[in-house]
Amino acid sequence: EIVMTQSPATLSVSPGERATLSCRASQSVSSDLAWYQQKPGQAPRLLIYGASTRATGIPARFSGSGSGTEFTLTISSLQSEDFAVYYCQQYNIWPLTFGGGTKVEVK
Amino acid sequence: EVQLVESGGGLVQPGGSLKLSCAASGFTFSDSAMHWVRQASGKGLEWVGRIRSNAYSYATAYTASVKGRFTISRDDSKNTAYLQMNSLKTEDTAVYYCTRYRGGDSYDAFDIWGQGTMVTVSS
Repeated sequence: EIVMTQSPATLSVSPGERATLSCRASQSVSSDLAWYQQKPGQAPRLLIYGASTRATGIPARFSGSGSGTEFTLTISSLQSEDFAVYYCQQYNIWPLTFGGGTKVEVK
Repeated sequence: EVQLVESGGGLVQPGGSLKLSCAASGFTFSDSAMHWVRQASGKGLEWVGRIRSNAYSYATAYTASVKGRFTISRDDSKNTAYLQMNSLKTEDTAVYYCTRYRGGDSYDAFDIWGQGTMVTVSS
């Protein structure tokens, strides 16, 4: 099973600042990597797939990069609605696995 | 509108059974693999299992911790997927989401999620 490790566990950022979230896979998953945003009491929402492609309706301030084992989600200028938990997920090798999440909180 | 709606959650005793439903609308359900993902309170997301489409003979797969206890099925005539949970344990307590692949029935991200249904296993 591929282990997905996200860092940091919590990221404290001021509104308007840049946030950089990391996700590492225990072995290569090529570019089969997705990022999700989850707010309290809500289902996850797909942000990025294929490591770098924004899903429909996702603002341009969200960007993804990386391939193989190292991936990054960048939020260029945090808006109030962006404070949430973010999960990465690999869909290259069975079983599908998620990272433990990064909580982005207000500094 | 593309939508998934789960139902059937509730309180059940350890060792008991529960069957969850996931009703789909707004897309060609029969062409889509359907997945179940769960989340214990305050914890991360855990993939539970999936059922593929008729094109792939409705093949199923499960995470190790539920194999032999949980069964996923589907009724394409009703646009509904099911999760039958038997021999439930306290550690199965979670919100259960159904979701689908972005691309139908090939490995991809999950683009549509239901609102989730809570399952509590407790005596």
